[in-house]
Amino acid sequence: KAGVTQTPRYLIKTRGQQVTLSCSPISGHRSVSWYQQTPGQGLQFLFEYFSETQRNKGNFPGRFSGRQFSNSRSEMNVSTLELGDSALYLCASRQDGQDNQPQHFGDGTRLSIL
Amino acid sequence: AQSVTQLDSQVPVFEEAPVELRCNYSSSVSVYLFWYVQYPNQGLQLLLKYLSGSTLVKGINGFEAEFNKSQTSFHLRKPSVHISDTAEYFCAVSDRGGGTSYGKLTFGQGTILTVHP
Repeated sequence: KAGVTQTPRYLIKTRGQQVTLSCSPISGHRSVSWYQQTPGQGLQFLFEYFSETQRNKGNFPGRFSGRQFSNSRSEMNVSTLELGDSALYLCASRQDGQDNQPQHFGDGTRLSIL
Repeated sequence: AQSVTQLDSQVPVFEEAPVELRCNYSSSVSVYLFWYVQYPNQGLQLLLKYLSGSTLVKGINGFEAEFNKSQTSFHLRKPSVHISDTAEYFCAVSDRGGGTSYGKLTFGQGTILTVHP
């Protein structure tokens, strides 16, 4: 079974631009969560989607948004990029979205803001 | 609110020596507990999880962890490490209650394990 796939792996943008990151979960998984990883703040939860609905959101500004499609693939969008948005963005999937199920992570998208 | 504290930011150890990576958590509700490992330029890989039952859980690559409810700890151990265990290790918790905690893992700051020959 293929794992969680994130594209692209690397991205370079400039301040003020916007970016869209993509995540394809493990086949059959319906829950997708997104995390931001930085050296200073560590791993922080962005949001979770289940069956196309956002069920939970972390403490990030409205510039960070996401969506999930009917095939469970998910995208996250960051608008008006700031230098502080430079990070590794990780996506994780679970089968039925129950919290006793472990999350399976992709290799991430490394976003660099110039 | 939940928080996770990994007591050591870096742990150097020699090959074939035992190792313990310490994790304490704070939560007002019952939690599930996880350990993940991250190798350079990769995502997180699940090592083991505690959901309920026996407090000693075994995971992949010879790792095990013990849940101690009274001390709110979930320390990770391995009796004999290899060079290939060099990586960053993360302890994480999730709320058992669902609701506003859906899909959210709260992570510790990570422990970098370096195994020397």
